[in-house]
Amino acid sequence: AQSVTQLDSQVPVFEEAPVELRCNYSSSVSVYLFWYVQYPNQGLQLLLKYLSGSTLVKGINGFEAEFNKSQTSFHLRKPSVHISDTAEYFCAVSSLTGNQFYFGTGTSLTVIP
Amino acid sequence: NAGVTQTPKFQVLKTGQSMTLQCAQDMNHNSMYWYRQDPGMGLRLIYYSASEGTTDKGEVPNGYNVSRLNKREFSLRLESAAPSQTSVYFCASRGLGSSTDTQYFGPGTRLTVL
Repeated sequence: AQSVTQLDSQVPVFEEAPVELRCNYSSSVSVYLFWYVQYPNQGLQLLLKYLSGSTLVKGINGFEAEFNKSQTSFHLRKPSVHISDTAEYFCAVSSLTGNQFYFGTGTSLTVIP
Repeated sequence: NAGVTQTPKFQVLKTGQSMTLQCAQDMNHNSMYWYRQDPGMGLRLIYYSASEGTTDKGEVPNGYNVSRLNKREFSLRLESAAPSQTSVYFCASRGLGSSTDTQYFGPGTRLTVL
């Protein structure tokens, strides 16, 4: 089975500052990796995903993430955040052949004006 | 495309009552999932269905049952609701293939058990 650890439960950051949300995973097999965003009172929306190929993945809303196999990490970054980025962010992992997705406990990003 | 739809959006139950949460997807996906979301615990898988006619337990199946009615619909039933089942429930479906291996989520059902 796989597991995901999101190291920061809450991240406050000032508007237009850069941000990094950390995600580490554990797995004995190759995996797919995902970041989802959840705005208040809404469902989860895919931000970006790593399936194969380039380890630097670009997603929607200016976010990007880098897959680091040796460190088993998939950190999410944005060079300049906006107020509208305030939301809950979830990292998830799935094995290449499995049916289940495993989610981290989430990171609440608050952008301060 | 409506994507993944869930009904109802909100529900309040008394302890011991039963109810069924409905989920439907119009993306022709094979796999469907039910999760619950609780503060500080992320999403936890209750049940999933890899294909029509099959269902499997996830991490927290106790107190729940599911039915994969057809390829489009996957329902979650609480036979005798308990306060510990107060949560937000999300249904998801999954497309297959290396370029589409992604889960798509419904808007959620907020359930309160008194």
